[in-house]
Amino acid sequence: DVKVTQSSRYLVKRTGEKVFLECVQDMDHENMFWYRQDPGLGLRLIYFSYDVKMKEKGDIPEGYSVSREKKERFSLILESASTNQTSMYLCASRLQETQYFGPGTRLLVL
Amino acid sequence: KQEVTQIPAALSVPEGENLVLNCSFTDSAIYNLQWFRQDPGKGLTSLLLIQSSQREQTSGRLNASLDKSSGRSTLYIAASQPGDSATYLCAAEKYGNKLVFGAGTILRVKS
Repeated sequence: DVKVTQSSRYLVKRTGEKVFLECVQDMDHENMFWYRQDPGLGLRLIYFSYDVKMKEKGDIPEGYSVSREKKERFSLILESASTNQTSMYLCASRLQETQYFGPGTRLLVL
Repeated sequence: KQEVTQIPAALSVPEGENLVLNCSFTDSAIYNLQWFRQDPGKGLTSLLLIQSSQREQTSGRLNASLDKSSGRSTLYIAASQPGDSATYLCAAEKYGNKLVFGAGTILRVKS
């Protein structure tokens, strides 16, 4: 079974803090994705990566950056957290056309 | 820009009913259409994937259809069970690995 894990299930941070969300997959997939999910808006793509050190902006990259130093790990960084970044963050990896999702990190920015 | 809409936003049915969830998309130039299930507080699980050249896919009690010309897909659930209660999301993929998701339909099956 494909396993995608995320470092935290719940996080509470203060406005202005730097926040790291980590995602690890165990299947050597090349493609990895970060989404945020908000009520009524569905999932929106923040960034994705085709391979190590490769990244591409999604639909809502503003206020975020990413890092992919190893194939199995894809990190989402909030350089200076703001209250409008309170959301559910979902990571996924992809094999052929199927995306495999992690359990999500619910982030609250106060 | 691709937009994906799901109707209804929420649905409550008694156990045993057959039901249909609807998904519409604005750009018919899609690579595939996917249906996912999400349980509360959890990630998404892939249910069915329909290639652009296909009309439907089936898995157990689930059947998904695709009509590209009208920009619609439906997910049919037969003989619903309480364990089917979840949020169901559809997503359209254009070339380039990007999925565009609908907001989902929250399904509750009452026992």
